Amino acid sequence: EAGVVQSPRYKIIEKKQPVAFWCNPISGHNTLYWYRQNLGQGPELLIRYENEEAVDDSQLPKDRFSAERLKGVDSTLKIQPAELGDSAVYLCASSLNLAGRRINEQFFGPGTRLTVL
Amino acid sequence: GENVEQHPSTLSVQEGDSAVIKCTYSDSASNYFPWYKQELGKGPQLIIDIRSNVGEKKDQRIAVTLNKTAKHFSLHITETQPEDSAVYFCAALISSGSARQLTFGSGTQLTVLP
Repeated sequence: EAGVVQSPRYKIIEKKQPVAFWCNPISGHNTLYWYRQNLGQGPELLIRYENEEAVDDSQLPKDRFSAERLKGVDSTLKIQPAELGDSAVYLCASSLNLAGRRINEQFFGPGTRLTVL
Repeated sequence: GENVEQHPSTLSVQEGDSAVIKCTYSDSASNYFPWYKQELGKGPQLIIDIRSNVGEKKDQRIAVTLNKTAKHFSLHITETQPEDSAVYFCAALISSGSARQLTFGSGTQLTVLP
């Protein structure tokens, strides 16, 4: 079974440029998460989707970050314009969460390492 | 806000010895506590998790203990091997506004010396 797929794996851009990350979750997983992981830190949630609906985006910096999951499958996270402090690894994760059921395991992709110069 | 504290930040052990990593959390409503292993250049991988209705769970050389009263939980790795070397993260399902989300500790770099 294929895991969570992310692309690109690495991205180097200059500040003020736009950048986009793509994620394809595990087949059948209805919940998708975007995390940011700064060097030497644990992942921090940016946004969570239940199918195509963003149900928790409270930690997404909405002035420059946007995300979409139009058909409830794959997702794109965009930054425009990028700033130096955005350099980090952007992780996508997915899980199968059913109403009334206990929380299921989150499966992570390999991440996209972003460097903003 | 609610958070998760993890100690130590680095840990070196001799092959065959045990390793223990400890975490504390602040949200008394937390009921799910996973542990992830992250190797260089890869995403975190779940190695074991525990829910609040049990105090201990074991899977081969890995065990996790949970003390809900004290709000802390620990990862125990016995008979460590060089391939256990990685960064380990604890996490807790914590309330954030109206939602609940996994909040991660800052990680422990485990090095198993051959």
